[in-house]
Order: sequence, then C-alpha cells, then structure tokens
Amino acid sequence: GENVEQHPSTLSVQEGDSAVIKCTYSDSASNYFPWYKQELGKGPQLIIDIRSNVGEKKDQRIAVTLNKTAKHFSLHITETQPEDSAVYFCAANKGGGTSYGKLTFGQGTILTVHP
Amino acid sequence: EAQVTQNPRYLITVTGKKLTVTCSQNMNHEYMSWYRQDPGLGLRQIYYSMNVEVTDKGDVPEGYKVSRKEKRNFPLILESPSPNQTSLYFCASSFSAGTYEQYFGPGTRLTVT
Repeated sequence: GENVEQHPSTLSVQEGDSAVIKCTYSDSASNYFPWYKQELGKGPQLIIDIRSNVGEKKDQRIAVTLNKTAKHFSLHITETQPEDSAVYFCAANKGGGTSYGKLTFGQGTILTVHP
Repeated sequence: EAQVTQNPRYLITVTGKKLTVTCSQNMNHEYMSWYRQDPGLGLRQIYYSMNVEVTDKGDVPEGYKVSRKEKRNFPLILESPSPNQTSLYFCASSFSAGTYEQYFGPGTRLTVT
C-alpha cells in the first residue's frame, strides 16, 4: 500500500520567514496530493491540493510543488504569521481506479510561528 | 450550516465494554471515512464508505466495525475496546471519493482503561 513520509516533525520560524514542509510517497499510482491544516482542538481542514498533471499551485501565501519523478511534494508558506501556527498534514490518493477511497496521511508537522 | 458532527466528543471506558461513536453529515455527501490520530503517526484511515451499504477497510481496521445504512450516518463500533484503541478519532465526509475535499468532524477523544 501507499506510504507517506513527512518532514520535519516540528518547525519553528520567526514571523515573516518562509516555512517549507516536505513529503515523499511510495506508490507511483498516486495522483492527488492534498494538504490539511489542523488548529488546536479542531479537525483538519483542506488548505491546498495538487494533482499529478500540475507541477506547482499557488494560493496567496501558500504554494505546493510536486515532483512526480522523485515522488515528493512540498508545502511552502511565505510571510508566515502567528495564525499559521498549527499542525500540517500531507496526504496522497490514487484519485481513481482501485482503492481510490483510501487517503494516506503523513505523520504531521507542528509549525510554530514566533511573533 | 454544513457540518460533520460526532458524538460523544469525549469518552472514558473500560476494556471490553462495547461502544459506538456516531458520525453524521448534512451535506448529502456520498463518501465518509473514519481516522484515528496518534502522536507521531499522523492520521490513519480505519474504514471508509463510498456510498450507502458500501464500506471498505482502510489501513488500520482491526478491532473496529462500521455500517452505512443511511447516507448521512456512519457510526464507528468498537465491540471489545482495548487500551491500544485509546486515541483521537475523526470522521470525515466528501462529495465523492478520490480528489474531493474531505470535511472533518471535531473529533472524539477516547480513553480505554
């Protein structure tokens, strides 16, 4: 089955700095890669996603890049703010075919943005 | 308000006492799923359902049961809970499986002693 590895497990930055979280996946059939943000005491919430026919996607201060050859994808947050402090999860899904109901998550990254 | 609700939010129980965690969504979503969250392990999928009466195993289904008799409800059943099932559980739903956003409930913190 799919295996998703996420690094780093914790990340501490100063307000205004950039933050980068990286994930690798094992199943070359995966073609959908969402990122979820989990604030304290809440359920995860989708912040951005990317499909395998796209190399990069941006939404204001956040961007995701995908390297299908190397089987890794990354989340980039620029101009970080204290409200970006949360746990971030990457995930992978096949998007179709067999087992496309399965979504495999990474281990999570605790991001702390210091004012 | 569109939402996924879970009950109870907190539960402390003893080994072997059957329990059910309910999950309900009001968005007419076809797909529903259960996850458990443990420190250092992230979110792991327990079971998912593509539609009514269609369920399938995720990555960690042992010790759990589910049913999907109605579109809006997807209860998680622990017939004989054990301490290793102490965890934070999330229910999620989406329009369909695959490349659609999953909407998560607020979580259920379960402690089995």
